[in-house]
Amino acid sequence: DQQVKQNSPSLSVQEGRISILNCDYTNSMFDYFLWYKKYPAEGPTFLISISSIKDKNEDGRFTVFLNKSAKHLSLHIVPSQPGDSAVYFCAARGNSGNTPLVFGKGTRLSVIA
Amino acid sequence: SQTIHQWPATLVQPVGSPLSLECTVEGTSNPNLYWYRQAAGRGLQLLFYSVGIGQISSEVPQNLSASRPQDRQFILSSKKLLLSDSGFYLCAWSVRRIGHGYTFGSGTRLTVV
Repeated sequence: DQQVKQNSPSLSVQEGRISILNCDYTNSMFDYFLWYKKYPAEGPTFLISISSIKDKNEDGRFTVFLNKSAKHLSLHIVPSQPGDSAVYFCAARGNSGNTPLVFGKGTRLSVIA
Repeated sequence: SQTIHQWPATLVQPVGSPLSLECTVEGTSNPNLYWYRQAAGRGLQLLFYSVGIGQISSEVPQNLSASRPQDRQFILSSKKLLLSDSGFYLCAWSVRRIGHGYTFGSGTRLTVV
């Protein structure tokens, strides 16, 4: 049973426009959410996170929105740049420091110049 | 500063051969350690995690095993590789506090032939 779902395997966006990557989760015990970015043949790198007590967290061009009632979060990248082309993974964790992250299957973002 | 080392970067092994992938962390103590696998179309699948020396939790029963002989060393092994073991293997570490994500190693591309 997939607890974290990224239903769009790929997304293409023009340079300068907004990229919106979506993620849904099913486990109501999740209370911390993260986005990771991954280039080919490299390990994922942390991008941005949000606690369930917030509905928005912003870091430069990256903003994560959380809608707890809908069990949905999204990552907005604006403006999108060619260097943003990568696979983006959504991850979630329950309220324990030792609980492993649960990852979605990822969305491949292509930013076209 | 903390660093994570994972090797080898690439590996081609015949079916039925053994496997040993090693991961070490520097600059921190008592980390949580994880092994993930990224297979085509399946996202990041948690294989094993460890909260201490000799403590291993297995998430997916399969042909692999993990060991943690030292605080900052995590080893992924197999006695006999299967074709289905091919994939991109990632080691990661985290501190034991809520609100912290993972730092991933650079990964090992394993091809079983």
